[in-house]
Amino acid sequence: KQEVTQIPAALSVPEGENLVLNCSFTDSAIYNLQWFRQDPGKGLTSLLLIQSSQREQTSGRLNASLDKSSGRSTLYIAASQPGDSATYLCAVRSSGTYKYIFGTGTRLKVLA
Amino acid sequence: GAVVSQHPSRVICKSGTSVKIECRSLDFQATTMFWYRQFPKKSLMLMATSNEGSKATYEQGVEKDKFLINHASLTLSTLTVTSAHPEDSSFYICSARGDDRFSYNEQFFGPGTRLTVL
Repeated sequence: KQEVTQIPAALSVPEGENLVLNCSFTDSAIYNLQWFRQDPGKGLTSLLLIQSSQREQTSGRLNASLDKSSGRSTLYIAASQPGDSATYLCAVRSSGTYKYIFGTGTRLKVLA
Repeated sequence: GAVVSQHPSRVICKSGTSVKIECRSLDFQATTMFWYRQFPKKSLMLMATSNEGSKATYEQGVEKDKFLINHASLTLSTLTVTSAHPEDSSFYICSARGDDRFSYNEQFFGPGTRLTVL
């Protein structure tokens, strides 16, 4: 049974800092992994999707990596800004299923 | 891109009433849609998988008579919370599986519906 864990649960950093959010999963037989952003009281915004055959994906200041063998993904945010403050969710879709298993998220606060 | 909408975005209702939430794929056909629920400060949990023209498949522990799902067309799935109670208050999000135009059978998530039952 796939389980997804995100560490840390919460993080506060000063503006401009580079930071890394971690996601780990227990079953390496995944189809893809997706990182989302969720603002308070709002829905999900997809940030990056990494297929199982890929090692990383980049979009602007965001870079997500995937290491299936170790069951880990990281989301790197460069030069953080107060507007990056949100909860970041990692979701894993296992092979042979359309179902996503979500982590509990990392609540990020970037201080001006 | 592919857009999934949900309506309403917010709903407040009295205990005992039923509430219907719509999930629409706006520019693509979705044979499969998924309904997730997010408890406060918790992760999203899949409730059910909805296939067009057939009965939904519910995850273990989800009451199918409580959460009625209908997927009557390739662009619309509805979730009806019947006889809602305060413990049903939650954030409900749907996702839709893209059609053949999209690689890797991507799923696209809706913006969510916040249900508050008084």
